Amino acid sequence: KQEVTQIPAALSVPEGENLVLNCSFTDSAIYNLQWFRQDPGKGLTSLLLIQSSQREQTSGRLNASLDKSSGRSTLYIAASQPGDSATYLCAVYGAGTALIFGKGTTLSVSS
Amino acid sequence: EPEVTQTPSHQVTQMGQEVILRCVPISNHLYFYWYRQILGQKVEFLVSFYNNEISEKSEIFDDQFSVERPDGSNFTLKIRSTKLEDSAMYFCASSAMSSETQYFGPGTRLLVL
Repeated sequence: KQEVTQIPAALSVPEGENLVLNCSFTDSAIYNLQWFRQDPGKGLTSLLLIQSSQREQTSGRLNASLDKSSGRSTLYIAASQPGDSATYLCAVYGAGTALIFGKGTTLSVSS
Repeated sequence: EPEVTQTPSHQVTQMGQEVILRCVPISNHLYFYWYRQILGQKVEFLVSFYNNEISEKSEIFDDQFSVERPDGSNFTLKIRSTKLEDSAMYFCASSAMSSETQYFGPGTRLLVL
């Protein structure tokens, strides 16, 4: 059964710092991986989808990488801003249609 | 930009009552999903729906749950007889194709008393 783990559970950084969020999954036979942002009490906003054949995907200040063989993905945020404060969720597609989520990393960026 | 919408945003119900949560997926999407998130826990998959039938369901999606696409735009989740442990945020999502980007709605917060 696929398990997704995100470390750390919480992270606090000063504004302007570059940071990396980690996601690991137990079954490397995934199709795609999707990163989301969740603000408190709100829905999930899709940030990036990395297809299983890709190693990286970029959107603005965000860069996500995928290493299927080691069961890892990272989300790199450049030049962090207070508006980046949120919970970041990693989710993987297995053989079916379901996304399997990690518990998330709660990021706090102070000004 | 097209988005997934959900109604109501909040629902309070008594244990044992039936509730229907409503969603309008993105119009040209073919796959529809329901997920739930109990407070402080992971987002959990409930069910996926394609071509007017269930594609996949989780162990959570038992006989108390059902989904329906009653017309060309709405997608509903019915909980037949709510339990206290059904209290959660319920998210609807849609995607153009399987394994492509899923777009989530803002959620319905369900509280069962």
